[in-house]
Amino acid sequence: QQQVKQSPQSLIVQKGGISIINCAYENTAFDYFPWYQQFPGKGPALLIAIRPDVSEKKEGRFTISFNKSAKQFSLHIMDSQPGDSATYFCAASITFKAAGNKLTFGGGTRVLVKP
Amino acid sequence: GAGVSQSPSNKVTEKGKDVELRCDPISGHTALYWYRQRLGQGLEFLIYFQGNSAPDKSGLPSDRFSAERTGESVSTLTIQRTQQEDSAVYLCASSLTSGVSYEQYFGPGTRLTVT
Repeated sequence: QQQVKQSPQSLIVQKGGISIINCAYENTAFDYFPWYQQFPGKGPALLIAIRPDVSEKKEGRFTISFNKSAKQFSLHIMDSQPGDSATYFCAASITFKAAGNKLTFGGGTRVLVKP
Repeated sequence: GAGVSQSPSNKVTEKGKDVELRCDPISGHTALYWYRQRLGQGLEFLIYFQGNSAPDKSGLPSDRFSAERTGESVSTLTIQRTQQEDSAVYLCASSLTSGVSYEQYFGPGTRLTVT
């Protein structure tokens, strides 16, 4: 059962444009929602993360919007740059100690920023 | 400091053979995770180690998969009698389990190809 659904699968955006990636989750026990960026041949690296007690978090050009009632969250990449071309994964976990913070990942979005 | 390292980076094996994959976590990280990433897909949780507690093996796909961890250091993931469907990138991550950060740091992965 896929607990985190991510869309779109791929995205092409012009340099300077906005990239938007959406995720929906099912398990209401999730309390930590990170986004990871992965370049070819590398492991994923944490980009930004949010907890469900806030509706938005911004770090530089990256913003997470979180809608708890709809069980959805999204990543916005403002002023997209060619160096942002990568695969982005949303994820969710339960950070309660016994749950172990095991990440459930979305299927990924391949973003290509054209110069 | 040094990040998470994994070896080998690539492994080609024949169907039916056993393989052993190694992960060296970041020093001081008590939590260690193994994930599997099939081509073009998101990561799937396999197993989680936390200190000296019994590992959470809930993600292991079959009894051909096993993993060990020595204290809070090196971990090995063993796949017995490999099958073609085991072909994937196997990623290891480590994290702290105290404080407010839940970030998991990923290694570069081992690409396993079963022929």
